Amino acid sequence: SAVISQKPSRDICQRGTSLTIQCQVDSQVTMMFWYRQQPGQSLTLIATANQGSEATYESGFVIDKFPISRPNLTFSTLTVSNMSPEDSSIYLCSVEDTREAYGYTFGSGTRLTVV
Amino acid sequence: TQLLEQSPQFLSIQEGENLTVYCNSSSVFSSLQWYRQEPGEGPVLLVTVVTGGEVKKLKRLTFQFGDARKDSSLHITAAQPGDTGLYLCAGAGGSNYKLTFGKGTLLTVNP
Repeated sequence: SAVISQKPSRDICQRGTSLTIQCQVDSQVTMMFWYRQQPGQSLTLIATANQGSEATYESGFVIDKFPISRPNLTFSTLTVSNMSPEDSSIYLCSVEDTREAYGYTFGSGTRLTVV
Repeated sequence: TQLLEQSPQFLSIQEGENLTVYCNSSSVFSSLQWYRQEPGEGPVLLVTVVTGGEVKKLKRLTFQFGDARKDSSLHITAAQPGDTGLYLCAGAGGSNYKLTFGKGTLLTVNP
């Protein structure tokens, strides 16, 4: 299955600033997914990123707050903009798992704390 | 909106005991997946079930998909401390890439 390198693994940021999270995949993939995992909550899909087109955002998430880049088939970034303490969460990227139909591989996550 | 109710939310057992985690919904899913997540790591896929009534075994883990494809269970036999982690179920709807996750079951197996 694909191997995903996600960074940073954690960060503490001041409110009002922005953080860009990177995901590098060791193989070419069509779609990359960005999730948020809040404490005590399930994973929530933020957006789906296809190479060469704008990301598709889920209800409750907007491009101005979470801009995404997908410059090629192995790389994507998610920026958390104008952060507030409510943005403190774990952010995960994901791609389809080639071993098994319908399964997905996840990065190790970015634990973000906004102070 | 599809929802997955996962229970129990927390489970603490002794090594050697058996346990079952449940994942229930009022919605039909085209497939249902189980993941295990350890602290500081992303979820790792354990299994995908696709057919109603399907049963899959992975060593001491048994996964079952309900006949109506609305619910699933994970049964662990003779739990070991290495089984400790957050177990997540996730369902795929009409657009298979869009997953709905349960809130997870935090399992602790004490030696």
